Amino acid sequence: GAGVSQSPSNKVTEKGKDVELRCDPISGHTALYWYRQSLGQGLEFLIYFQGNSAPDKSGLPSDRFSAERTGGSVSTLTIQRTQQEDSAVYLCASSSQGTGGAFDYGYTFGSGTRLTVV
Amino acid sequence: AQTVTQSQPEMSVQEAETVTLSCTYDTSENNYYLFWYKQPPSRQMILVIRQEAYKQQNATENRFSVNFQKAAKSFSLKISDSQLGDTAMYFCAFSGNTPLVFGKGTRLSVIA
Repeated sequence: GAGVSQSPSNKVTEKGKDVELRCDPISGHTALYWYRQSLGQGLEFLIYFQGNSAPDKSGLPSDRFSAERTGGSVSTLTIQRTQQEDSAVYLCASSSQGTGGAFDYGYTFGSGTRLTVV
Repeated sequence: AQTVTQSQPEMSVQEAETVTLSCTYDTSENNYYLFWYKQPPSRQMILVIRQEAYKQQNATENRFSVNFQKAAKSFSLKISDSQLGDTAMYFCAFSGNTPLVFGKGTRLSVIA
């Protein structure tokens, strides 16, 4: 597609339920990133996929969070047993090459999923 | 670890005036990139401008320009001829050998 697509746009869930957030990156982009943006805060890095390499999971806040990327394209971020502190906007981004590359033109972001845990 | 600091949580500017948003960063890397992103209420992060650390010349994109001071680790954004559509959150970001690191943002309001 022309841009990064995220679904759903908004999600309200009950505390303790599991949720799945989807990201469809720009075709051909090898790198995919998930960030979390809590109210009034900057973007907090969660996880990074680059090609067929093992993902960088260093930003995941707890073992309730996991993500996968199938076929080097679509990614799903799963939050198990959601807590109220998980309420935030989850942003996905993709880029044509990963970190540390010779050229870095920045990321293209989706519009995010606003998750509300009640 | 890299850090990015935006010391101005909120700013306002009159339409058609000029405003400067501040950003400082900390890194031990020598080759890196710096970015300013704009986030309007739609939540979409939009790349405003990009600077390569090895280039001394400040980047410019239409009404947007930066003042990059590598020794001081400073990367400010100047918006000239401010327009109502510039109202948004602005995030400074650093890219080295790790995924983008963002500051906490500056909320800019352009007043008619």
